[in-house]
Amino acid sequence: KAGVTQTPRYLIKTRGQQVTLSCSPISGHRSVSWYQQTPGQGLQFLFEYFSETQRNKGNFPGRFSGRQFSNSRSEMNVSTLELGDSALYLCASSASSGRNQPQHFGDGTRLSIL
Amino acid sequence: QKEVEQNSGPLSVPEGAIASLNCTYSDRGSQSFFWYRQYSGKSPELIMSIYSNGDKEDGRFTAQLNKASQYVSLLIRDSQPSDSATYLCAVKSNDYKLSFGAGTTVTVRA
Repeated sequence: KAGVTQTPRYLIKTRGQQVTLSCSPISGHRSVSWYQQTPGQGLQFLFEYFSETQRNKGNFPGRFSGRQFSNSRSEMNVSTLELGDSALYLCASSASSGRNQPQHFGDGTRLSIL
Repeated sequence: QKEVEQNSGPLSVPEGAIASLNCTYSDRGSQSFFWYRQYSGKSPELIMSIYSNGDKEDGRFTAQLNKASQYVSLLIRDSQPSDSATYLCAVKSNDYKLSFGAGTTVTVRA
C-alpha cells in the first residue's frame, strides 16, 4: 500500500510570496493533518481535515489555510510568506479522526524562505 | 506549561543496553498515546501506540502508560546502533488534537 505522498519535496520562495503544498493520504484514509516542524518549536499542529471539513485547528495565523477534496487529497496554502515560515511541513493521514487512530506521516515538504 | 514534556536528553546508551524514555502530559482526559521515531532528515515513523494503563510490548519496544500519573514511557531493550534517532511522544487529547513532545535524541554507542 502506498504511503502518504507530499509534493513538492523542496521549495524555495521569497518573502511576500504565497505557496501551496499538496498531500495524498494512504488509500482509504479520510483524515489528513498538517504539521510544521522547526528546530526551535518542534512539531506543531496546523489543522486537520476529515471528509472535506476542517475538524481542528492549531494556533497559527490566518495566513495558513488548507482544504480537502472529495478524494481525501489535501492542500495547504501559506500566503504572504515570512522568513519564520521556513520549516519542514508534514502531512499525516489516518483512517478516521477517531481518538485511537494513529497517524502516518509523509516525507514532508521542506520550505525555505529567502 | 507545555502539553507534552519529554526528558530532554540527549540519551547515550551502549549497544545491548536498555534505553528508557519518559513523557508526561497535562490533559488528564487524554486517551491515546503514541511513540514515533524520527531519523535525522526523515519524517516521523510510528513505532508504538497505547491506550490502556499498563505495558504493551512489541519486539524490543515496551510502552508503559499510567493515566493516574499522566505518564507514558518507552523502553528499548537490547539497543542497537540502528535505534539511534529522536523519539517523539504524542498525545491525543479530548479535543482529538495530537500534541507532540520536543523529542529525546538517543545515541546507541557500538
